[in-house]
Amino acid sequence: QSALTQPASVSGSPGQSITISCTGTRSNLGTYSLVSWYQQHPGKAPKLIIYEVTERPSGISSRFSGSRSGNAASLTISGLQDEDEADYFCCSRDGDTMIFGGGTKLTVL
Amino acid sequence: EVQLVESGGGPVKPGGSLRLSCAGSGFSFSSYGINWVRQAPGKGLEWISSISTRGTYISYADSVKGRFTISRDDANDAFYLQMNRLTVEDTAVYYCARSPGSGFWSGYYYFDYWGQGTLVTVSS
Repeated sequence: QSALTQPASVSGSPGQSITISCTGTRSNLGTYSLVSWYQQHPGKAPKLIIYEVTERPSGISSRFSGSRSGNAASLTISGLQDEDEADYFCCSRDGDTMIFGGGTKLTVL
Repeated sequence: EVQLVESGGGPVKPGGSLRLSCAGSGFSFSSYGINWVRQAPGKGLEWISSISTRGTYISYADSVKGRFTISRDDANDAFYLQMNRLTVEDTAVYYCARSPGSGFWSGYYYFDYWGQGTLVTVSS
């Protein structure tokens, strides 16, 4: 199965908002409201920041929000901060497996 | 504090085998689904396998099916990934990651805690 499609990179200035898109197919994003997002800083393990499309784990800032429409999902980060600079991966159920996006590198200018 | 610690990575020749371990602490290990996710150098994440509570249900990605075997030992709060017939494409950091409940089989398709990973290098 092919990975979900994410832009390779996005950038924004501190205080701005950015949105990262994640495009799939009818077999994953188009069928299931089971999208999660992970933040990964260099050399570190991924960290869950959004699950089930819009839910935030305890301790995750409300600056992070998610949405889904049709075969696509998106992650929005508002009020960008320097520490948000990282790689971001979307993930979805795909039948009885899981599939990740290729990842998006967020640069805070 | 929930912690997952992987071990067992290292260099291995193509066609060889390796067994990875993941030790859990800070939570009731037997009550959670556990997964393996890998990341090739400079690449994205790839889900490779999941196991439910009690090991009742198991799922594999096509890329490892028939070569890798996931298992768990709840008495020792550990789970394992036996990797056989390794190829250079299996070179990656391997992460164990927890899912709530019994993971996929109880409707939880996400990974709430991750270990720090262990590097597997397949090279001649």
